[in-house]
Amino acid sequence: GNSVTQMEGPVTLSEEAFLTINCTYTATGYPSLFWYVQYPGEGLQLLLKATKADDKGSNKGFEATYRKETTSFHLEKGSVQVSDSAVYFCALSQTSGSRLTFGEGTQLTVNP
Amino acid sequence: GAGVSQSPRYKVAKRGQDVALRCDPISGHVSLFWYQQALGQGPEFLTYFQNEAQLDKSGLPSDRFFAERPEGSVSTLKIQRTQQEDSAVYLCASSPKRTGGYEQYFGPGTRLTVT
Repeated sequence: GNSVTQMEGPVTLSEEAFLTINCTYTATGYPSLFWYVQYPGEGLQLLLKATKADDKGSNKGFEATYRKETTSFHLEKGSVQVSDSAVYFCALSQTSGSRLTFGEGTQLTVNP
Repeated sequence: GAGVSQSPRYKVAKRGQDVALRCDPISGHVSLFWYQQALGQGPEFLTYFQNEAQLDKSGLPSDRFFAERPEGSVSTLKIQRTQQEDSAVYLCASSPKRTGGYEQYFGPGTRLTVT
């Protein structure tokens, strides 16, 4: 079956530091890949997505590249802000199906 | 426009009670999903509707869990004879598409605590 593995958290960084959150997946075929973010007290929001190999998703300074050869979709940001503090979830869905399969989430705290 | 709404936001139930959780999806969205999120974990799929048809209920953990969407809009997740292990946040999501690979829009969730 499908599965998503994220790097263990929590992650604590200083403002303007570089961020990487690792995500690898197991799936048949060519799933679509997503990063969702959950800010404190809010619902899950889509941050970015990629639907085929070598696609790069980007939004709000965050980027992730769909790497089929390494089955990875690592999230990066060059300079984090305090407002980026949240829980980040990597997820996948099969085109032929509909459900999202999530990783366990990574708590990010950015200190001023 | 209005997003996905869920009610109640918080529910405390005594073990053995029945509960009903409501989801109002974005108007016109064809697909509706329920997920269960345990503390410190990622959401896990429960069930999926396309309009009023429940196409996948493979994630429902037991026959105490039941979901419906009778008119293809509002959905209700019902849990009978609640147990402590049912304590979790229940998330509803909707999508304008019928197939995967598209964004799902999530509600704020209902936090269920079974005492």
